[in-house]
Amino acid sequence: GAVVSQHPSWVICKSGTSVKIECRSLDFQATTMFWYRQFPKQSLMLMATSNEGSKATYEQGVEKDKFLINHASLTLSTLTVTSAHPEDSSFYICSARRPDAGAWDEQYFGPGTRLTVT
Amino acid sequence: KQEVTQIPAALSVPEGENLVLNCSFTDSAIYNLQWFRQDPGKGLTSLLLIQSSQREQTSGRLNASLDKSSGRSTLYIAASQPGDSATYLCAAFNFGNEKLTFGTGTRLTIIP
Repeated sequence: GAVVSQHPSWVICKSGTSVKIECRSLDFQATTMFWYRQFPKQSLMLMATSNEGSKATYEQGVEKDKFLINHASLTLSTLTVTSAHPEDSSFYICSARRPDAGAWDEQYFGPGTRLTVT
Repeated sequence: KQEVTQIPAALSVPEGENLVLNCSFTDSAIYNLQWFRQDPGKGLTSLLLIQSSQREQTSGRLNASLDKSSGRSTLYIAASQPGDSATYLCAAFNFGNEKLTFGTGTRLTIIP
């Protein structure tokens, strides 16, 4: 299988603080990971594409200084929400592409992290 | 820019019925089309992936079809069960930008 984990599964933080979310590929190496955000009753929106060892590529409208992404190894990408505000409250989901799989274009998704900023 | 739409947004059917969920996309230059299931407050479970060269994929009671020329995909669920209740998302993976674009989802409720 291809398992992707996220930690924490949920987090509550105060406005103005920073929160780090981890995304790990447990049984494969992922050269590319993706971060999505999902607001209640809405679909997933791609925030950024993270490539191991290089800077992340952010989607239009996503503040790269607010959502810091680090992909330091082939099995770990982190998303840090800096100076969080209540409007950042959302469900954050990561995915990973497995380059050695037959379907190179298939993404494997993590279970998501619920962020609530008070 | 790819846009993916799912209609209806919500659907309720009695247990045992067959049903079809619809997905349409505006840009036919796709690598694949994928269907996911999402339970409330949870992540995504991949159900079926159809490569652009394929017309359909089947897994158990699920059958997904793809018509690139018309920009449509359908997910057929046979003999529905209460456990099928969830939100179903389709997503198109495009040439060029190599991104997954998600549809708006259909919230399915199977009535026992």
